[in-house]
Amino acid sequence: GAVVSQHPSRVICKSGTSVKIECRSLDFQATTMFWYRQFPKQSLMLMATSNEGSKATYEQGVEKDKFLINHASLTLSTLTVTSAHPEDSSFYICSAPSASEGTDTQYFGPGTRLTVL
Amino acid sequence: QKEVEQNSGPLSVPEGAIASLNCTYSDRGSQSFFWYRQYSGKSPELIMFIYSNGDKEDGRFTAQLNKASQYVSLLIRDSQPSDSATYLCAALRTGANNLFFGTGTRLTVIP
Repeated sequence: GAVVSQHPSRVICKSGTSVKIECRSLDFQATTMFWYRQFPKQSLMLMATSNEGSKATYEQGVEKDKFLINHASLTLSTLTVTSAHPEDSSFYICSAPSASEGTDTQYFGPGTRLTVL
Repeated sequence: QKEVEQNSGPLSVPEGAIASLNCTYSDRGSQSFFWYRQYSGKSPELIMFIYSNGDKEDGRFTAQLNKASQYVSLLIRDSQPSDSATYLCAALRTGANNLFFGTGTRLTVIP
């Protein structure tokens, strides 16, 4: 299957700082990537759809000015959590679709665990 | 009504038994269905997908799709303790590129 990487895998930062998370499709191109957030023992929540060459589409309730998304190329999307606060501590996961056997299959990155002190 | 619904479990089966995971979806426009496995603290990993009515087998896993009943299932044969995880069902709508996920079913395989 297709491979998606994320960096960093884990980050600890102070409240008020900004954190950038990178998502890369390693062996395929992705015009669209997805960003999810998952709190402990809860299900995946789609935050936004990242679109190469255009603005991201945010889900209801997700602050676009706080979670900045940039889809710089066909293999890279970044999520910047601005002015992070402890309540932003979560597991952030990206995914990218790759065509496989007649359907778009989403492959997930390994995730980034953010802890805001 | 949620797009994709799963029994949250937990579902416990003894080692070697068949684990049956079920999922229903509300949108008849959904075209493809995916099963992901997520270990605690890890991201989801794809097990298999299905888009035609009937069964699709891959090793110990069989996905079943019944579009008339809007029902998808995953059978795991010869369950192993390493299969203990949360299993996520997801649906892809025709014309959409994002998946709708169920809340997941937690499976425990007892040695």
